[in-house]
Amino acid sequence: ETAVFQTPNYHVTQVGNEVSFNCKQTLGHDTMYWYKQDSKKLLKIMFSYNNKQLIVNETVPRRFSPQSSDKAHLNLRIKSVEPEDSAVYLCASSHRDWGYAEQFFGPGTRLTVL
Amino acid sequence: GDSVTQTEGPVTVSESESLIINCTYSATSIAYPNLFWYVRYPGEGLQLLLKVITAGQKGSSRGFEATYNKETTSFHLQKASVQESDSAVYYCALGGYGNEKITFGAGTKLTIKP
Repeated sequence: ETAVFQTPNYHVTQVGNEVSFNCKQTLGHDTMYWYKQDSKKLLKIMFSYNNKQLIVNETVPRRFSPQSSDKAHLNLRIKSVEPEDSAVYLCASSHRDWGYAEQFFGPGTRLTVL
Repeated sequence: GDSVTQTEGPVTVSESESLIINCTYSATSIAYPNLFWYVRYPGEGLQLLLKVITAGQKGSSRGFEATYNKETTSFHLQKASVQESDSAVYYCALGGYGNEKITFGAGTKLTIKP
């Protein structure tokens, strides 16, 4: 099956803990993204990697760090979570040669910070 | 910066009635905007509904249509006769060829009454 996969589906944790989310795409794309969808359902891009290189880095707190081992994988680590980090984190991928334009999304990871 | 404004939800429409969800955009950093409608059905991930990359063109999918109007900077989503299965959250989005970022509107939650 070709798609974008994310784990875990849900994660509940306490303030100050570290969390890590995983994303894998089997679409053969070379660019991957992390978006944050807040409680108001606004979707904002956080990071983008092309062939393991960071190409988009929006203004996000330094406790967020993306990690890419290869062009099919992009993880997101949050060092010390805060209550405002509660959100759905969406991973997406696209292909540079196609102009990036169409992005394919994973199902999301819902983070709840108590 | 770039921005997308769409009909604020929630929107409720009776089955077989017509629908329009308004979308206007501002593309300050993109020379040739590409416009998208993404949809999230209940329990599913975000997926592309339709896209138009050339001003003046119309895109269509699953009975939905949207015309890219450069003069009015609009990309309204329309359907002549909605079905219960159209209940979902719809996002208007703006991107550009060679531009890694997609800017999303706030989303419009649509509920179709049987």
